[in-house]
Amino acid sequence: KAGVTQTPRYLIKTRGQQVTLSCSPISGHRSVSWYQQTPGQGLQFLFEYFSETQRNKGNFPGRFSGRQFSNSRSEMNVSTLELGDSALYLCASSLVQAAAGNTIYFGEGSWLTVV
Amino acid sequence: AQKVTQAQTEISVVEKEDVTLDCVYETRDTTYYLFWYKQPPSGELVFLIRRNSFDEQNEISGRYSWNFQKSTSSFNFTITASQVVDSAVYFCALSLTDTGNQFYFGTGTSLTVIP
Repeated sequence: KAGVTQTPRYLIKTRGQQVTLSCSPISGHRSVSWYQQTPGQGLQFLFEYFSETQRNKGNFPGRFSGRQFSNSRSEMNVSTLELGDSALYLCASSLVQAAAGNTIYFGEGSWLTVV
Repeated sequence: AQKVTQAQTEISVVEKEDVTLDCVYETRDTTYYLFWYKQPPSGELVFLIRRNSFDEQNEISGRYSWNFQKSTSSFNFTITASQVVDSAVYFCALSLTDTGNQFYFGTGTSLTVIP
């Protein structure tokens, strides 16, 4: 059974540009959540999608957005990139919508470097 | 507010030694879930265990064991007879009933097993 797949794995962008990251959840999983990991802030929740709707959002500026498609695949977008956006972006999927005690399964992440 | 503390930033042990990774959590909720994940250099967070707040029974899985104590708000993880393949960063995480897939992660403990 394939795990969570994220593309691209590595990318370098310039300040001011925008970036789109893609995530394919485990087959049958309908909930997708995104996390940002940096050395300074650790792992921080960005947002969660279920049935093409954003269900929960972390404390990030509006430059960070996402969406989910009918096949549960998800994309996240960061506009007007800043140096501080350099991070590992991790996608996680779970079987159902955010519910108590869901286990979430992570992909290998997309390493974004902003120069 | 929710918080997970992993006071040990880095630990080094010699192969075959036992090692315990500490995790202390804070929450006012009476129902919550605790998790441990392992992050190898590839970046993917690998799920290890989930515990709910009503189940304080300790668990052993092969060389891994977990000690959950509500009285001290701790959920410690022990690796017995460590191996080089155990080298990774280990994260403890907390989720709540009303925030579903929004996990609160500790800052992680980097474990190095020296052959």
